Amino acid sequence: DVQVTQSPSSLSASVGDSVTMSCRTSERVSNFFNWYQQKPGRAPKLLIYAASTLQSGVPARFSGSGSGTDFTLTISSLQPEDFAVYFCQQTYITPPYTFGHGTKLEIK
Amino acid sequence: QVQLVESGGGVVQPGRSLRLSCAASGFSFSSHGMHWVRQAPGKGLEWVAATSSDGSLRFYVDSLRGRVAVSRDNSKNTLFLQINNVGAEDTAVYYCARENVGHTSTWFDLWGQGALVTVTS
Repeated sequence: DVQVTQSPSSLSASVGDSVTMSCRTSERVSNFFNWYQQKPGRAPKLLIYAASTLQSGVPARFSGSGSGTDFTLTISSLQPEDFAVYFCQQTYITPPYTFGHGTKLEIK
Repeated sequence: QVQLVESGGGVVQPGRSLRLSCAASGFSFSSHGMHWVRQAPGKGLEWVAATSSDGSLRFYVDSLRGRVAVSRDNSKNTLFLQINNVGAEDTAVYYCARENVGHTSTWFDLWGQGALVTVTS
């Protein structure tokens, strides 16, 4: 099974900052890679799919990049509503479609 | 309204079975693969099971293989999950999620609100 290592586990930043978080897969997954945001008590919300495609309705301050084994999510000009937990996921070929362990983005 | 609604959560005794349902509405349910993802309290997301759009293919996480079964009834737009012989480690919020597929990736673009299952005597 493909393993996903996400870093950092937590991140502290201020409103207006730009932040980047990363994931690495144990095998090459092309761009079968997604990012989700989760707020407390809520279901995950799709942000980015196919490594770099912004889901409809998601603000353009979110961007994804990478291919193969290394992927990043960047949030520019952080807004108060962006403080949440972010999960990455690989969906290469067939399940299991593993998730990273999450990055908790906290207000500094 | 495009949505997924889970039901069947609650308290389950150790060693018993849990059965969850996920009712889909507002979209062509039979056109999409469907997944179950769970989240233990304070933990991350764990992919659990999936079924193809017609139900002919089923996939499971290794840690649950032999105890878990996913199924669907396309005539009723409903997805099911059953886990047998549950233990404390099965305590979690269980989400159903819709799969969407493009030329270069697969993603989960619609999630239910989640169903909390607590395993306790």
